[in-house]
Amino acid sequence: DGGITQSPKYLFRKEGQNVTLSCEQNLNHDAMYWYRQDPGQGLRLIYYSQIVNDFQKGDIAEGYSVSREKKESFPLTVTSAQKNPTAFYLCASSYRGHFGGEQFFGPGTRLTVL
Amino acid sequence: GIQVEQSPPDLILQEGANSTLRCNFSDSVNNLQWFHQNPWGQLINLFYIPSGTKQNGRLSATTVATERYSLLYISSSQTTDSGVYFCAVVNTDKLIFGTGTRLQVFP
Repeated sequence: DGGITQSPKYLFRKEGQNVTLSCEQNLNHDAMYWYRQDPGQGLRLIYYSQIVNDFQKGDIAEGYSVSREKKESFPLTVTSAQKNPTAFYLCASSYRGHFGGEQFFGPGTRLTVL
Repeated sequence: GIQVEQSPPDLILQEGANSTLRCNFSDSVNNLQWFHQNPWGQLINLFYIPSGTKQNGRLSATTVATERYSLLYISSSQTTDSGVYFCAVVNTDKLIFGTGTRLQVFP
């Protein structure tokens, strides 16, 4: 089945630790995105990548880092510099970059900082 | 930047009822999507509809780009329709999400 997978589903982190969230897609999409959702809110863009080895900051990139070494994979690292990392993180992909194509989302990762 | 507002913010229905959700946006858009976020957080694509009308089963959507709004119709609602409905638009270079409509359908 084609789709987007995210792991883990739930993640608990102690303050001061970096954690990496996985996002993989087998849709042969060029563009991939990371969003953050806080309770009762819409989604906000963290980072996006339109092509391998290239990525751009979104609206709330501070305290996060990404890499895009393979077309299928776009991992997100939440660093200790992110002041309020507890949130729901969603990964998406689209066939075309520049946000021009329909975006499809993974099931999400819930991160809780203890 | 572009503003995306959805109404109503909350909607409570009995099973079998029909409803209309509205999405207003403040500037021209390149594309528009409707999503259903289920109680587990999964965002499910409903429609990719920058203009015109589309139907998929009990759901249909209409976007009037010149008047800067889109409507999502849900007919014969079911309890599984419960969740939050988001519209999202692309203006220049990013997907902007609306504020969402929380729908609860009771048996």
